[in-house]
Amino acid sequence: EIVLTQSPVTLSLSPGERATLSCRASQSVSSYLAWYQQKPGQAPRLLIYDTSNRATGIPARFSGSGSGTDFTLTISSLEPEDFAVYYCQQRSIWPLTFGGGTKVEIK
Amino acid sequence: EVQLLESGGGSVQPGGSLRLSCAASGFAFSGYGMSWVRQAPGKGLEWVSGISAGGGTTNYADSVKGRFTISRDNSKNTLYLQMNSLRAEDTALYYCAKPFSGSSHFDYWGQGTLVTVSS
Repeated sequence: EIVLTQSPVTLSLSPGERATLSCRASQSVSSYLAWYQQKPGQAPRLLIYDTSNRATGIPARFSGSGSGTDFTLTISSLEPEDFAVYYCQQRSIWPLTFGGGTKVEIK
Repeated sequence: EVQLLESGGGSVQPGGSLRLSCAASGFAFSGYGMSWVRQAPGKGLEWVSGISAGGGTTNYADSVKGRFTISRDNSKNTLYLQMNSLRAEDTALYYCAKPFSGSSHFDYWGQGTLVTVSS
């Protein structure tokens, strides 16, 4: 099973700041990595698929990069609605796996 | 509009069974593989099981292999998860999830059905 390790666990930032979230895989997942956002009481929302492709309706301030084992989600300028938990997920090898999550909180 | 509506959750004693259902609408259900993903209270996401569009291929997380069975009825646009030998650690909100295009990244999720395993 591929283990995805997200860091940091918590990121404390102010609106308008840049957020950089990391996801590291225990073995290569090629480019088959996605990012999700989850707010309290809501289902996850797909942000980025296959490393760098924004899902439908996702603002341009969200971007993804990386390959192999190291991936990054960047939020260029945090909006109030961006404070949430973010998860990465790989689809390279079954079983599918998720990272443990990064909480982006208001500083 | 894509809709996924889970049902069948509830409280059950350890060792018991439950069958979850996910009624799908707004897309060509028979053309998509589908998955179940769960989230224990206050914890992260865990993929549980997936099934191919035709139902011939299934996959499971090690944590549920041999206890859970995923299935689907394309004539009813419904996904199922039969859960046997339930354990306290199976307590979670269970989501039905539709993959994006031909991938196994999920662009639509239901609101979940809560399973509580407790004596």
